[in-house]
Amino acid sequence: EVQLVESGGGLVQPGGSLRLSCAASGFTVSSNYMSWVRQAPGKGLEWVSVIYSGGSTYYADSVKGRFTISRDNSKNTLYLQMNSLRAEDTAVYYCARGSPTVVTLGYWGQGTLVTVSS
Amino acid sequence: SYVLTQPPSVSVAPGQTARITCGGNNIGSKSVHWYQQKPGQAPVLVVYDDSDRPSGIPERFSGSNSGNTATLTISRVEAGDEADYYCQVWDSSSDHRVVFGTGTKVTVL
Repeated sequence: EVQLVESGGGLVQPGGSLRLSCAASGFTVSSNYMSWVRQAPGKGLEWVSVIYSGGSTYYADSVKGRFTISRDNSKNTLYLQMNSLRAEDTAVYYCARGSPTVVTLGYWGQGTLVTVSS
Repeated sequence: SYVLTQPPSVSVAPGQTARITCGGNNIGSKSVHWYQQKPGQAPVLVVYDDSDRPSGIPERFSGSNSGNTATLTISRVEAGDEADYYCQVWDSSSDHRVVFGTGTKVTVL
């Protein structure tokens, strides 16, 4: 059974950093396209970042240069390192699994809340 | 950047048909995916590659895509279909961005 479990969310001050984790089971993270998607309170879905099975990474303009997506193959875990956080980064962050070749997000975690506030 | 526009809301009576549009420049040339999100829950993929359904999704959910508009159709609407729906495309050829639509709230009257 495919499972995705996010962790690492919490309250952080503006300008601070946070690292989100997404522990996967039932499949191999490195063999699939993996993405982070966020949702601000009361708002729609916003794509954040993707890492391809080959290792290429891409980011939304709103987070480029501040966020870094990565994976640890030995732990079968996806990460999102978030630096220079802003109030507008406040959201529930979901990790989601695509397929080995396309970003069709067939599996999602339950999400972790990140609140950026002083 | 590529923009996907959806109507904010659609209302439908039980047993009737709901149609949710997703507008984008030449969207017919892209693969469109649709997600259902109920309050407090993660999104669920209900249609992928314009018109295919993942296992476990009722046949009442169908999709089409042509020209500048993709459409998610929910037939014989049930109370449990009340949710937010989002379309999504992936630009694999240029900037590799994933784009979500603005979202549509489906209300079952």
